[in-house]
Amino acid sequence: AQSVTQLGSHVSVSEGALVLLRCNYSSSVPPYLFWYVQYPNQGLQLLLKYTTGATLVKGINGFEAEFKKSETSFHLTKPSAHMSDAAEYFCAVGTESGGQNFVFGPGTRLSVLP
Amino acid sequence: EAQVTQNPRYLITVTGKKLTVTCSQNMNHEYMSWYRQDPGLGLRQIYYSMNVEVTDKGDVPEGYKVSRKEKRNFPLILESPSPNQTSLYFCASSSTVNTEAFFGQGTRLTVV
Repeated sequence: AQSVTQLGSHVSVSEGALVLLRCNYSSSVPPYLFWYVQYPNQGLQLLLKYTTGATLVKGINGFEAEFKKSETSFHLTKPSAHMSDAAEYFCAVGTESGGQNFVFGPGTRLSVLP
Repeated sequence: EAQVTQNPRYLITVTGKKLTVTCSQNMNHEYMSWYRQDPGLGLRQIYYSMNVEVTDKGDVPEGYKVSRKEKRNFPLILESPSPNQTSLYFCASSSTVNTEAFFGQGTRLTVV
């Protein structure tokens, strides 16, 4: 079974600063990796995903993430934070082993300070 | 517009009173699932369905039931709700088990 950890339940950055949200996973088979964003009182929206191929994945709203197999990581970055980026971010991992094998991390709340 | 629709958005009920949260998707997706979201725990899968009449337990199925009689609908049933089922619930659908999942707006359930 796979698992996901996200370092830091709450991250604060200044507007214009680099955003780095950490995600590490464990999986016994090649994983599919996802980042979702949840704005207040809304459902989850896909930011980006890694399935196969290029390990640097670009998503919406200027976010990107890099799959590093040797580090079992899939950290999310954005060069310059915007106030509208304030939200909760979830990393998720899935495999082809079956429907149950899609696991979310506990989430990281991003605050952007003016 | 492609969407997953959950109803109701908010629900307050009393312990033991049966309730159903509906979920419907208009994307002809085969895979649907239910999650509950609790602070510090992320989203935990309750049940999932890979096709009509095919359902299976997720990580936290106790106290819940589901059915998948039609492709588009996947209701979540709480036969005898208890206060520990107070949570935010999300329904999701996807074309396959590991492609992008589309989420509903959530149902905030309070059991008193």
